[in-house]
Amino acid sequence: DARVTQTPRHKVTEMGQEVTMRCQPILGHNTVFWYRQTMMQGLELLAYFRNRAPLDDSGMPKDRFSAEMPDATLATLKIQPSEPRDSAVYFCASGTIHYSISGPWDYEQYFGPGTRLTVT
Amino acid sequence: AQTVTQSQPEMSVQEAETVTLSCTYDTSENNYYLFWYKQPPSRQMILVIRQEAYKQQNATENRFSVNFQKAAKSFSLKISDSQLGDTAMYFCAFMKPGSSNTGKLIFGQGTTLQVKP
Repeated sequence: DARVTQTPRHKVTEMGQEVTMRCQPILGHNTVFWYRQTMMQGLELLAYFRNRAPLDDSGMPKDRFSAEMPDATLATLKIQPSEPRDSAVYFCASGTIHYSISGPWDYEQYFGPGTRLTVT
Repeated sequence: AQTVTQSQPEMSVQEAETVTLSCTYDTSENNYYLFWYKQPPSRQMILVIRQEAYKQQNATENRFSVNFQKAAKSFSLKISDSQLGDTAMYFCAFMKPGSSNTGKLIFGQGTTLQVKP
């Protein structure tokens, strides 16, 4: 049963510290996403990659956030320096497209368990 | 820009009964995907069901089915024989495939469903 994995599951840190979140996408998936979920904003897309190349990071505060995919099995999201307003649950998701006889394509996207970040 | 609206912030249903969650969306595209995700208290996002806009037949997955009305831009989720484990927040999501958009989900605000014993 293939799953997206994320580490750490929980992180508590002080304002100003660097935070690194990691994600292992499902093997064979070529698209990786980072989302942030807060009560106020709901689910927001921060960045996404296809075949390890960044496609869109317009949802990410670039002065403090950075997203990378050093290889096909690892995606990272870093916050430096962290601020209390960054407290949220951060989800990684991976997806892929299948070309099937029933239609032009078939798409699936699965989420990891999330990293709950608290910045004090 | 595409938007997704879930007009029911909270709903409740008795165990074993049927409940329908509403979702409407706004798009000028003809080809797209729609999804329902479930988020239980564990916070895990779980894919419940998906619908391709080019398919006229409504998608079904066991007790979950959708009523896809393309002209009305409506995509409701019906849960039959509700179970306590169905208690969760449910998100409707839209995706417009394309070379740079494929996979980019736009979510609604969510509907919290409480299944009562």
